[in-house]
Amino acid sequence: GQNIDQPTEMTATEGAIVQINCTYQTSGFNGLFWYQQHAGEAPTFLSYNVLDGLEEKGRFSSFLSRSKGYSYLLLKELQMKDSASYLCAVRDQGSARQLTFGSGTQLTVLP
Amino acid sequence: GAGVSQSPSNKVTEKGKDVELRCDPISGHTALYWYRQSLGQGLEFLIYFQGNSAPDKSGLPSDRFSAERTGGSVSTLTIQRTQQEDSAVYLCASSLTSSHEQYFGPGTRLTVT
Repeated sequence: GQNIDQPTEMTATEGAIVQINCTYQTSGFNGLFWYQQHAGEAPTFLSYNVLDGLEEKGRFSSFLSRSKGYSYLLLKELQMKDSASYLCAVRDQGSARQLTFGSGTQLTVLP
Repeated sequence: GAGVSQSPSNKVTEKGKDVELRCDPISGHTALYWYRQSLGQGLEFLIYFQGNSAPDKSGLPSDRFSAERTGGSVSTLTIQRTQQEDSAVYLCASSLTSSHEQYFGPGTRLTVT
């Protein structure tokens, strides 16, 4: 099975940088995903890491260390619209490749 | 293009009744997933369809839950004899194949009274 931990809440200021950490213990690993979910809306795909290292996409970057079972999502130049829940998810190695999600980190961006 | 759509967006039902939730995946996506998101909790995998293969039902919480996918496209999740603990947002996701990222629909908020 999978066990995924991430902080429940974080607060940051507009224009700042914030790092959301995610640790996982898995029986099989086939990639780690980050999703953004605004209240009452569907999760939207942000990033995918399957190899160690940093993946950068605009203001968002995601890092993975498979040996440490650790990932982080880095958000730069924070904007008010970045206030949302950020979900870390690990993809199973089985045929279904279903995602196991953490409980999400609720990020609040303050002016 | 069109994303994943789900209906209804909200459903209120009495305990003991059956409900059907519908998902229209993105056209051409062969993989379809159902998840459940309870208040304050992470998404919980329920069931997976890939093409015409037999579904992976390993996440279904009880035999009151079932799902089908007709013609490799639209899927219906059925909950029989609903219980209050079934209240949650039911999310459908599709992906080009199981190796690609999943795109989620807006969900159906189910409330069992």
